[in-house]
Amino acid sequence: NAGVTQTPKFQVLKTGQSMTLQCAQDMNHEYMSWYRQDPGMGLRLIHYSVGAGITDQGEVPNGYNVSRSTTEDFPLRLLSAAPSQTSVYFCASSYASGTYEQYFGPGTRLTVT
Amino acid sequence: GIQVEQSPPDLILQEGANSTLRCNFSDSVNNLQWFHQNPWGQLINLFYIPSGTKQNGRLSATTVATERYSLLYISSSQTTDSGVYFCAVYKAGSARQLTFGSGTQLTVLP
Repeated sequence: NAGVTQTPKFQVLKTGQSMTLQCAQDMNHEYMSWYRQDPGMGLRLIHYSVGAGITDQGEVPNGYNVSRSTTEDFPLRLLSAAPSQTSVYFCASSYASGTYEQYFGPGTRLTVT
Repeated sequence: GIQVEQSPPDLILQEGANSTLRCNFSDSVNNLQWFHQNPWGQLINLFYIPSGTKQNGRLSATTVATERYSLLYISSSQTTDSGVYFCAVYKAGSARQLTFGSGTQLTVLP
């Protein structure tokens, strides 16, 4: 049981480039989400999904795109990277009912130059 | 939105000492979790504790939901306890968004 996994661990992009951050979980969790962590600002919700085919925006969705074609995977796409997107990105998952405990992946550290 | 305040912001301890970290929140919540972010940046689940008391080894947590606070106790601290401790809450109707406190930076000296 690997839990929540994220790839890559580190990434450097140039302004304007696009890329996809991968997130997968093997706990059969319906709910998955993406957060970004910036120094002094805590973690903020970018996008979330309550099941395959269903996604919605969080607190800071601009510049990011998501889709959810399977229960296990929830990729985050940066459409045109900007220096303001330099951050650490965390994926999280939980069951949709019952306990609301969320589990986080190890994070992806992204630098946009 | 809901406000989460943690105290103290920084704490330096000698190995073996005990400590209490506090989390205050501004509204009733459906979920409260404590996390430890280790020096490598990984967020480790410590407790899921919307109410009541739980213990796990040297760590224990208590949430008094009616008074809107939670406490994390660390006993006989070790250098591996160093890192940032976050409290995060979720309120029904908020898209399951966990609202994080600003954290307590704990440093345990050998």
